[in-house]
Amino acid sequence: QSALTQPASVSGSPGQSITISCTGTSSDVGTYNLVSWYQQHPGKAPKLMVYEVTKRPSGVSNRFSGSKSGNTASLTISGLQAEDEADYYCCSYAGSGTWVFGGGTKLTVL
Amino acid sequence: EVQLVESGGGSVQPGGSLRLSCAVSGFTFSGYWMHWARQAPGKGLVWVSRIKTDGSNTTYAESVKGRFTISRDNAKDTLYLQMNSLRAEDTAVYYCVRDDYLSYWGQGVLVTVSS
Repeated sequence: QSALTQPASVSGSPGQSITISCTGTSSDVGTYNLVSWYQQHPGKAPKLMVYEVTKRPSGVSNRFSGSKSGNTASLTISGLQAEDEADYYCCSYAGSGTWVFGGGTKLTVL
Repeated sequence: EVQLVESGGGSVQPGGSLRLSCAVSGFTFSGYWMHWARQAPGKGLVWVSRIKTDGSNTTYAESVKGRFTISRDNAKDTLYLQMNSLRAEDTAVYYCVRDDYLSYWGQGVLVTVSS
């Protein structure tokens, strides 16, 4: 149950696009289309932004999009806004009823 | 409105026990698998445990297996996490989370394990 690998930090200017990667293994990300992404502002609970690799819950901006290739999933945020500044976590089903999160990525909007 | 409210956190010495509760409302509790996740201070999210709708199936992270027990009372719309043999590394905010892609999270409850 090793954590998925995410970059510690990414940054971008307002209006730009950024992509956060999430690398797992053939036992989790590579096998299951059950990757989700969460946004967490300081002192707050995580919020689901993307599920099943590419789907967005109702109410989440279409500026957030997900994808996957092999053992790596990605979250792209387009048209960066100041309120997007937060920590982002990926999560994947890892088989046998277990889940694994990524280490988290701090997004800074310059 | 979906609500999950954790309680039961606090400070405990290493080797001690705590029982966390999560009272839910706004959805049919008995129809959802439920999870616990945690987050150590300044650190990332970690999945802890999951339980089936009727409590008949449970799974755990290796780090807590044999020490933590997840359970539920569908009549009371409440999820539990019994934590025994607590260690300093169990210090974290513990979140109650609804299944279906871990879509809804409680506000979390802090557990501190320290002598």
